[in-house]
Amino acid sequence: GQNIDQPTEMTATEGAIVQINCTYQTSGFNGLFWYQQHAGEAPTFLSYNVLDGLEEKGRFSSFLSRSKGYSYLLLKELQMKDSASYLCAPLGGKLQFGAGTQVVVTP
Amino acid sequence: GAGVSQSPSNKVTEKGKDVELRCDPISGHTALYWYRQSLGQGLEFLIYFQGNSAPDKSGLPSDRFSAERTGGSVSTLTIQRTQQEDSAVYLCASSLDGRNEKLFFGSGTQLSVL
Repeated sequence: GQNIDQPTEMTATEGAIVQINCTYQTSGFNGLFWYQQHAGEAPTFLSYNVLDGLEEKGRFSSFLSRSKGYSYLLLKELQMKDSASYLCAPLGGKLQFGAGTQVVVTP
Repeated sequence: GAGVSQSPSNKVTEKGKDVELRCDPISGHTALYWYRQSLGQGLEFLIYFQGNSAPDKSGLPSDRFSAERTGGSVSTLTIQRTQQEDSAVYLCASSLDGRNEKLFFGSGTQLSVL
């Protein structure tokens, strides 16, 4: 089975940095995805890590430690449009999603 | 098609009725997933297809739920004798081959059981 743990909500101001942590336990491991979901919309792909280390993609970076069952998503230079739920999704035998972290960006 | 298409976008039904939800994945994508999302909750895995076969049905909540996929393309999710707790957004996603590929999601079907 899979257990995925991430904070429920985080609040930060425009221009700041926020780090969303995710710990997981999976049966087998084939990589970890992060998805963004705005209210009332479907999730959209943000990042995919299969090897340990940091993957940087513009304002968003994702880190993975397979031995620790740990990942984080780093959002830099926050913008109002970044207010959304961020879903951690480890790929084991199937792709399971965490409950999501609601990020609220304030002016 | 250009994206994953789901129909209907909204469905209101009475308790006890059967409903069918449809998903048209991106052309050429062999893997297809169904998820359910209740208001304010995360995505709950329901079923996964690779081609026409479903190697993982472990997420289906009860025997009232079934899904099929024909021709390696369109999938239908059927809920028999709907209950109020079935009310949720049902999301379909597809990926190229189901292995280490990102998912592309449809806009979902909002199901309301009265």
